[in-house]
Order: sequence, then C-alpha cells, then structure tokens
Amino acid sequence: AQSVTQLDSQVPVFEEAPVELRCNYSSSVSVYLFWYVQYPNQGLQLLLKYLSGSTLVKGINGFEAEFNKSQTSFHLRKPSVHISDTAEYFCAVSDYRETSGSRLTFGEGTQLTVNP
Amino acid sequence: DADVTQTPRNRITKTGKRIMLECSQTKGHDRMYWYRQDPGLGLRLIYYSFDVKDINKGEISDGYSVSRQAQAKFSLSLESAIPNQTALYFCATSGDGQPNTGELFFGEGSRLTVL
Repeated sequence: AQSVTQLDSQVPVFEEAPVELRCNYSSSVSVYLFWYVQYPNQGLQLLLKYLSGSTLVKGINGFEAEFNKSQTSFHLRKPSVHISDTAEYFCAVSDYRETSGSRLTFGEGTQLTVNP
Repeated sequence: DADVTQTPRNRITKTGKRIMLECSQTKGHDRMYWYRQDPGLGLRLIYYSFDVKDINKGEISDGYSVSRQAQAKFSLSLESAIPNQTALYFCATSGDGQPNTGELFFGEGSRLTVL
C-alpha cells in the first residue's frame, strides 16, 4: 500500500522569503509523484509532477520539487514567495500497475500563508 | 466552460435526507472519481469508475453510493445524510494513456452541510 505524509500542516512565511513544503511517501512499486495547489474556494490544480528522468522538476508559478528516492521524499520549494501563493498544497503519490492503472493517494495538506 | 463540472456547488440539507451530487466532464476521460475533503485529513477516495460498467469502492465508501450514467457523467448519492458527511466533495477524472500516471483533473467542488 502507498501512503503520503506532509510533515507540516501550516507554514507561515513573509513575502519574498524562500519556502520548502515537505513530503515523504512510501510505496512498494514504482511511483509517480505530484503536487497540487488549492486556492481559496477553488478546486485542485496540478502544480508539478515527477514521472521519470531528471529528479528536479519545475512547475508553474516558480515552484520546483526534487525527487529523492533514497529518502523517499518529494519536497516542494520556491526561492521567493508572493502573497498570491497563499493556498493549501497537497502532495500525492500514484503507483503504476500495468493491469489496473494508477490511483492517487493524497497527503493531509499544508496550508501556506504568505504575510506582507 | 470548465472541463469537469459539479452541481450543486453548495447544498445545505437535514439529517436523513437523500442527496445527489452530480459530475459531468468534457475531457473524454474514461476514469472518474469522487473524493471527500476534510480539514487536516486531505482528500479521501469514496468511489471510482474506470469505465461505464466498472464501479469500485474507495477507502471511505460506507454511507455513499454512485452511478455512472454515461462516460461523461458520474453521480454520488447519500441515501440518508448524517452530520459527519458534512464536507467538501470533489469529482475528478483521469485519462487512460500508457503509462497511466494517475494524474487527476478536478472539478471545483461541492460543499455539503448536513444539519
């Protein structure tokens, strides 16, 4: 079975500061990893994804994440945040199964609040 | 127009009432899902369907049922609503390309309050 743990439920930061949102996963098979963002009163939208290849993946709005297989982590980073980055961020893992496809399992979410 | 549309967006109801949440999609995807979001718990899978004739329980299916009326439509029903079903509900779709990565495309959510 696969699982995801987001290590921080809330992360407050000041505008223009760097931020890291931490995510650890467990899975017994090859995985695909995702970060989704949920702005207030909206659905979830894809921020970035790791499928294969380079372990550093870049997403929208200046975010990036690094896949670390040995530490089973997929932390999300941004060098300088804006007020508009205030949102809830979800890490998700998908296990690939040749016969039945894949299903996403989500972490508990991290509320990022950017203060002026 | 949104690719994944949920109705209603907000609903307040009373304990014991039957409620249906509807989802329609224009992405042409075969796979559809219903998730529930609660603060501090993330998203939990209620039911999913990989095609019109396929229905599967997720991790929290008790108290819920679903119907896949067509490739584009997937509805979630609460036969007798109870207060702990108060939550934000999301419909999502995914494609079936190879490899199937599981990437989901979400609707905007349906907020249900059970009094």
